[in-house]
Order: sequence, then structure tokens, then C-alpha cells
Amino acid sequence: LAKTTQPISMDSYEGQEVNITCSHNNIATNDYITWYQQFPSQGPRFIIQGYKTKVTNEVASLFIPADRKSSTLSLPRVSLSDTAVYYCLVVRYNQGGKLIFGQGTELSVKP
Amino acid sequence: EADIYQTPRYLVIGTGKKITLECSQTMGHDKMYWYQQDPGMELHLIHYSYGVNSTEKGDLSSESTVSRIRTEHFPLTLESARPSHTSQYLCASSEYKEGTYEQYFGPGTRLTVT
Repeated sequence: LAKTTQPISMDSYEGQEVNITCSHNNIATNDYITWYQQFPSQGPRFIIQGYKTKVTNEVASLFIPADRKSSTLSLPRVSLSDTAVYYCLVVRYNQGGKLIFGQGTELSVKP
Repeated sequence: EADIYQTPRYLVIGTGKKITLECSQTMGHDKMYWYQQDPGMELHLIHYSYGVNSTEKGDLSSESTVSRIRTEHFPLTLESARPSHTSQYLCASSEYKEGTYEQYFGPGTRLTVT
């Protein structure tokens, strides 16, 4: 599975838009990009998944350029409750959706 | 909201004891997983199962074992606990739905071996 690289930490303020970029240079044709959110002392929670272009749901948007070597998770108007670790993962469907977690990005939202 | 449960939530036990961490889900998912996570660190996949009587070792070597006799139940056992096993253990299940493979995680079991 393609290794992902993302910033270790980011700071933001309430009401701002936050963009977290992830690099996955060795992504394969049958790989998807998925993002999870984890609060302290809880299990991760699925945020969004995409293959190419743009995906949007009620929580976030995911932008994937044509070469798919990177992706950007966009969180609109963050609040204090968005403080968490965000993981970017590459998922290969013929491996049963197995997830390999990297270090993640620790997002801190300040008042 | 996902229905996946783990018991106990917290466990403090002495070295050498045998322990079983319970995980169950009521969603009928075929695929289930166990992860280990130390404080402030990433999750490591230690076991997974694609269905009844199917178990595989994950990417991180673990002295624990698992079984999958029923779809809804995926317990993890440590035959002889050691302080190095102190960690948080997270169970998850997943299904392919509407173009997405989404994993649902339980609340975790925080294990401390003294």
C-alpha cells in the first residue's frame, strides 16, 4: 500500500477553513484515499473517501488532483470540537478495505 | 451510529495472567479488525478477519491471538500478559456500502499490565 505523508501538526482558529494536505506518491490504480478523525481516548471515525476530483459531504471536502499523488482534506469553519488527529490513508479494495495508519496530523483549534 | 462494543473499557492486571478482550458488533459485518495504539502514536493493525473461521495476522507482530467463531464476535486473547502489552486495543468492523469501505471503531480497551 502507498505510504502517506502529512504534517505532524497544525494550528487554526475558530471559524477558519483548514486544509490538510497528504502526499501519496506511490498510489496505485485501484487505491482510494480515505480520511479518519480521532479524538483522545476514542476510536477513529470515518470522515470522507474519494478516488479523484472532488468529494463533499456534510462534514468535509476532499480534493484529489488528476495525478492522484496528493489529496487535501478541507474542513470549513472549524470549531473547538474539531481539535483531533486526522489520518490520511490509502485503501486498496482487493485487500478487503484493510487500513494502514500513519502518524496523522494533530489539529489544534484555538478560540 | 455504529453498534460495536468492547469490554472491558479499562483493565489493570498482573503479569502472567490470561486475559480476553471482547469485541462484538450487531451490524452483520463480515470484516473485523484489531488495532493496538500507544498514547500519542498511530494505530497498528495486529489481527483481522474476513469472516467466520478466517483470521490473519496484521502488520504489527503481536503475541495475542484471535478467533472468529461467530460473525458478530471477535475476541482477542493474551495467554500471559506482560508489561509490554500495556496499550489501548481498538476493535473495528467494516462493510462495502455505496462505493465506500468504511470502518466502524469500538470505544477501545485500555490495558495496563503491572
